[in-house]
Amino acid sequence: QLQLQESGPGLVKPSETLSLTCTVSGGSISNYPYAWDWVRQPPGKGLEWIGSFYYTGTTYSNPSLKSRLTISMDSSKNTFSLNLSSVTAADTALYFCAKHDTRGSSYVVLDLWGQGTLVTVSS
Amino acid sequence: QSVLTQPPSVSGAPGQRVTISCSGTSSDIGAGYDVHWYQQFPGTAPKLLIFGTYKRPSGVPNRFSGSKSGASASLVITGLQAEDEADYYCQSYDNDLSALFGGGTKLTV
Repeated sequence: QLQLQESGPGLVKPSETLSLTCTVSGGSISNYPYAWDWVRQPPGKGLEWIGSFYYTGTTYSNPSLKSRLTISMDSSKNTFSLNLSSVTAADTALYFCAKHDTRGSSYVVLDLWGQGTLVTVSS
Repeated sequence: QSVLTQPPSVSGAPGQRVTISCSGTSSDIGAGYDVHWYQQFPGTAPKLLIFGTYKRPSGVPNRFSGSKSGASASLVITGLQAEDEADYYCQSYDNDLSALFGGGTKLTV
């Protein structure tokens, strides 16, 4: 049974790059027709979809973050990663990794989530 | 990219029925995309509650049901239980190839 676990620095300075990794356990990340997602939640606020990395290598991003965002996958490490550049305090949030099955008729059904990791942007 | 519109809060007594609405536009829900619902307890990750507008994942009680009409969707919870007290989020997709969430609704039982 697949499980997801986020990891990365809990504190990032303004203007720097936020880098997080999601480790997939219980199966090989490249064995499934899945897409691997990032979602964030500012403290006390709602959920915001960040983007997806599809098993085909295609990525889709939230238009509001696209210019600062890179999502990638490392099959050898069974991980996928998020890089968000030029961060500000507005990027402070609980960051979740998740996945969705690319088969089926519905788009982006996030059926498995990591527990989340809090990233604070502050000097 | 717009956020789907949900009421900030709803409440109901144990055993009652509550409805949480989710309003979109002609570019997302109204364009025919399915709606999904998630349940989130404080300090935990969201859990998929309803997908494909009305389908329940295995293990989700049939007290939870979803529907859609035009550019809006609804989550209905019948036979409210204290354990249902949580935040609920709707989610859909839009013509910009983006997933988008509602602002969330806090349910108080």
